[in-house]
Amino acid sequence: EVQLVESGGGLLQPGGSLRLSCAASGFTFRTYWMQWVRQAPGKGLVWVSRINTDGTNTTYADSVKGRFTISRDNAKNTLYLQMSSLRAEDTAVYYCARDGGKGGLSYWGQGTLVTVSS
Amino acid sequence: QSALTQPASVSGSPGQSITISCTGTSSDVGHYNLVSWYQQHPGKAPKLLIYEVTKRPSGVSNRFSGSKSGNTATLTISGLQAEDEGDYFCFSYITISTSWVFGGGTKLTVL
Repeated sequence: EVQLVESGGGLLQPGGSLRLSCAASGFTFRTYWMQWVRQAPGKGLVWVSRINTDGTNTTYADSVKGRFTISRDNAKNTLYLQMSSLRAEDTAVYYCARDGGKGGLSYWGQGTLVTVSS
Repeated sequence: QSALTQPASVSGSPGQSITISCTGTSSDVGHYNLVSWYQQHPGKAPKLLIYEVTKRPSGVSNRFSGSKSGNTATLTISGLQAEDEGDYFCFSYITISTSWVFGGGTKLTVL
């Protein structure tokens, strides 16, 4: 069974940093592109970032470019999102999702909540 | 990366068919067949319904179908059921920035 389990969320102050993790199981992690998507409370889905199978190709939404870094450790079957210079508008549930290769996000984690507030 | 345009809400009675549109530009929806659709129930993770405009993952009801004309993609739900109530989002690749974008979301109410 495919499982994606995010962790690392929490409450932090503006300007802070945080690293989210997404532990993958039930499939050959190293063969899939992966994505991060976020959702502010009561709002819609927002694309954050995408990474290819070996981590050499990454793309970001303009709103997080230069502040967030996506990476992966295929030996540990884990996806990461390093977030820095956090702002109140980064407050959201962050989901990791498995990308079928052409943008179909076929499996999602349960999400982890990041709250940025002073 | 402006959000794709979806109607804020749609509604229908059980058994009816409804459509949800997703309008973009020739740089995203209109460029490649890389549009997908997701259903989300409150407090839950999204679920993939349609990918590459028209393809349906195994396990997704054939009551859900997708199409595209020009810069607008459309999700059709036939034979509406109470459990279809929820939020629906489209998602597309943006060729000029090699990034991705969601639609603003549509709340479906089954009357």
